[in-house]
Amino acid sequence: EDQVTQSPEALRLQEGESSSLNCSYTVSGLRGLFWYRQDPGKGPEFLFTLYSAGEEKEKERLKATLTKKESFLHITAPKPEDSATYLCAVIDNNNDMRFGAGTRLTVKP
Amino acid sequence: EPEVTQTPSHQVTQMGQEVILRCVPISNHLYFYWYRQILGQKVEFLVSFYNNEISEKSEIFDDQFSVERPDGSNFTLKIRSTKLEDSAMYFCASMVQYSNQPQHFGDGTRLSIL
Repeated sequence: EDQVTQSPEALRLQEGESSSLNCSYTVSGLRGLFWYRQDPGKGPEFLFTLYSAGEEKEKERLKATLTKKESFLHITAPKPEDSATYLCAVIDNNNDMRFGAGTRLTVKP
Repeated sequence: EPEVTQTPSHQVTQMGQEVILRCVPISNHLYFYWYRQILGQKVEFLVSFYNNEISEKSEIFDDQFSVERPDGSNFTLKIRSTKLEDSAMYFCASMVQYSNQPQHFGDGTRLSIL
């Protein structure tokens, strides 16, 4: 069965303190890996799609990378407004989309 | 930027009653989805819908649930005979066409069963 595991569950950073979130996956034929941001009481907001190992995507302070077994979301010099839960999701060959439990990021000023 | 809209934002219903959750997907999108997120838990896939029929459904999506696209814009999730454990956030999502494209989510309906 497909599995998506995110770590850590929660991460507290000081403003400007860079770090990385991890998403490890076991999937039968990866068709795509997605990163979403979710604010409290809101739906997931799309950030990135990665399709193959070695691929990287960047947007402002965020950079997502992909290997054959995991993805990292690197946050450079985070600001308080980056505080949110970051979700990783994969789609397999059966078109089933499965989410990880998320990493709850808090950035203190 | 076009977005997925869901109504109502919060629905409170007595156990055993039927509820209909409504979604307006992004207008040029062809694939539609419902997900559930119980408080503090993962987002869980319920069902996908394409070309006016269900294409995939999870084991959560049993006979209690049904989906419909009654017109060219709305996409609904009906839950019959609600149970306490149906209390959750329900998210609608839509996607342009290809299966490895990102799904775009609405802000959800918070369903509270009393």
